[in-house]
Amino acid sequence: GAVVSQHPSWVICKSGTSVKIECRSLDFQATTMFWYRQFPKQSLMLMATSNEGSKATYEQGVEKDKFLINHASLTLSTLTVTSAHPEDSSFYICSASGGAQDLYEQYFGPGTRLTVT
Amino acid sequence: QQQVKQSPQSLIVQKGGISIINCAYENTAFDYFPWYQQFPGKGPALLIAIRPDVSEKKEGRFTISFNKSAKQFSLHIMDSQPGDSATYFCAALIQGAQKLVFGQGTRLTINP
Repeated sequence: GAVVSQHPSWVICKSGTSVKIECRSLDFQATTMFWYRQFPKQSLMLMATSNEGSKATYEQGVEKDKFLINHASLTLSTLTVTSAHPEDSSFYICSASGGAQDLYEQYFGPGTRLTVT
Repeated sequence: QQQVKQSPQSLIVQKGGISIINCAYENTAFDYFPWYQQFPGKGPALLIAIRPDVSEKKEGRFTISFNKSAKQFSLHIMDSQPGDSATYFCAALIQGAQKLVFGQGTRLTINP
């Protein structure tokens, strides 16, 4: 149980375009979803926290107009990187909490590798 | 105060040996301490977690030791295997706040 999927697993886009990443909780209702960013050989950096039906809460230094987060249902959250630039190239990982076993445990998706050319 | 400091940055252990990774924190409000294992190109996976009301938790070859007074906790991997080669992250959480604070990560290599 407590499986989280992400789509796509990797994406290449041209500079200036937008790209959407989906995060789904497959077997539980995720009251809260989190989006992280991870650069090579570094730790996970929390970008934002979203609760279903509410606006996302962004961490300091994360541009909310650039990284649009939508959490429209209890099983789906999306991250849209708008007007992507090469410096946005990174590994984006979502997590979800609200599973039956432990309300606060976060279950992580497999990640999405974004390359902006 | 929100930091979790993890050491060592990298670790090489012989097959069958014990791998030990340490973490320290400052914020006494943290009340949940998970460890995650991450393979290259994959998301982190929960390995084992502990709450501060116990000093040790063991699951198979993995053990967390927790020292509340020292504000330190560590992961021990017994009988380390090449398949354990991965990056390990400790983390801390204030359950009411839900926000995980991650350590810097330890790249573990188990030599056959």
